[in-house]
Amino acid sequence: DIQMTQSPSSLSASIGDRVTITCRASQNIRNYLNWYHQKPGRAPQLLIYAASTLQSGVPSRFSGSGSGTDFTLTISGLQPEDFATYYCQQSYNPFITFGPGTRLEIK
Amino acid sequence: EAQLVESGGGLVQPGGSLRLSCAAFGFTFKTYDMGWVRLAPGKGLEWVSHIHFSGRDTYHADSVKGRFTISRDNAKSSLFLQMNSLRDEDTAIYYCAKARLGSTRDYDYWGQGTLVTVSS
Repeated sequence: DIQMTQSPSSLSASIGDRVTITCRASQNIRNYLNWYHQKPGRAPQLLIYAASTLQSGVPSRFSGSGSGTDFTLTISGLQPEDFATYYCQQSYNPFITFGPGTRLEIK
Repeated sequence: EAQLVESGGGLVQPGGSLRLSCAAFGFTFKTYDMGWVRLAPGKGLEWVSHIHFSGRDTYHADSVKGRFTISRDNAKSSLFLQMNSLRDEDTAIYYCAKARLGSTRDYDYWGQGTLVTVSS
């Protein structure tokens, strides 16, 4: 199985800040990397697919980069609705795996 | 717009069985892969199962392999998860999710989830 790690596990930031979350895969997954966030009591939401493509309807302050084993999600100008848990997900092989999550909290 | 509605969750004793259902609306169900993902209390998202749009191929996480079976009825736009030999650690909210495109494995629409509690 492909193992996914994320850092940091939690992060405190203020409205307007720029934050970066990193995700690492245990083997080369090319660009088969997706990002989601999830708010308490809500379903997950797809933010970025194929490492860097913004999902329709997602604000442009979200961006993704990387390929191979190392990936980043950047949020430029945090808004109140962005405080949530963020997950990366590999879809390189049919046995999908998620990262452990990064909890983004208000400072 | 796509909509997914899960049902079938509830309280079950260890060793018991449940069958989850997911009704799909607003898209051509038979042309999209589908999956199940769960969120256990205090844990992160865990992928459970995935099925090809035709039903031809299915995939299950090691943690549920041999106990859970994903299936679909394209004529009824419905997805299922048969869960047998349930364990305490299967307690979670179970979400059904739609593949973004045909056979991709990123999920763009999710249901609101159904809670499964395994406890004696």
